[in-house]
Amino acid sequence: SAVISQKPSRDICQRGTSLTIQCQVDSQVTMMFWYRQQPGQSLTLIATANQGSEATYESGFVIDKFPISRPNLTFSTLTVSNMSPEDSSIYLCSARTSGGVPGTGELFFGEGSRLTVL
Amino acid sequence: GQQVMQIPQYQHVQEGEDFTTYCNSSTTLSNIQWYKQRPGGHPVFLIQLVKSGEVKKQKRLTFQFGEAKKNSSLHITATQTTDVGTYFCAGPVNAGGTSYGKLTFGQGTILTVHP
Repeated sequence: SAVISQKPSRDICQRGTSLTIQCQVDSQVTMMFWYRQQPGQSLTLIATANQGSEATYESGFVIDKFPISRPNLTFSTLTVSNMSPEDSSIYLCSARTSGGVPGTGELFFGEGSRLTVL
Repeated sequence: GQQVMQIPQYQHVQEGEDFTTYCNSSTTLSNIQWYKQRPGGHPVFLIQLVKSGEVKKQKRLTFQFGEAKKNSSLHITATQTTDVGTYFCAGPVNAGGTSYGKLTFGQGTILTVHP
């Protein structure tokens, strides 16, 4: 299993500013992901955080807007850059510990970071 | 692209009634997972189904994976107020035949239980 700590848990930000969310896992994990969730909505995958290399982004998400770092197996950051009210959302860090067949094994989630952009 | 559809979007039940949510994929899935998210909480893994036609039970919860591995269901018998939350199904994202460990989530079913 894995326990994921995220911070900040919530923040209110001004338009045009940037915010970095930190994600710390209590054990080494093979894969880390960042999701976005609008209140009452489903989870949308932003990117896969790759250790020591550039993140792999999903369609509709770009590195300039959502730069991601993963310097080691247990830590990752997501920055939301040049924020607008449309970026108000919950951002979730997740990780998978299984080293087996890709796509199998549960995802563990952090508590989420609720961002409100004014 | 791959889509995972889930219905219904909302379900209101009286405590003690049964509840079912259905999940359908546009493509065959190698496996399907179910998660529960309590109000204000984060998604928590419930179960993974891998085999065609597989049925798994967890106390009052019954999970099924369709024969064609394109659909799944979660059934809760005699709901309790502790069952309140959003139930998501999730399947591996297919990218050229390799999922790279990513999951795509259904829209979720929001369950409310009236005592």
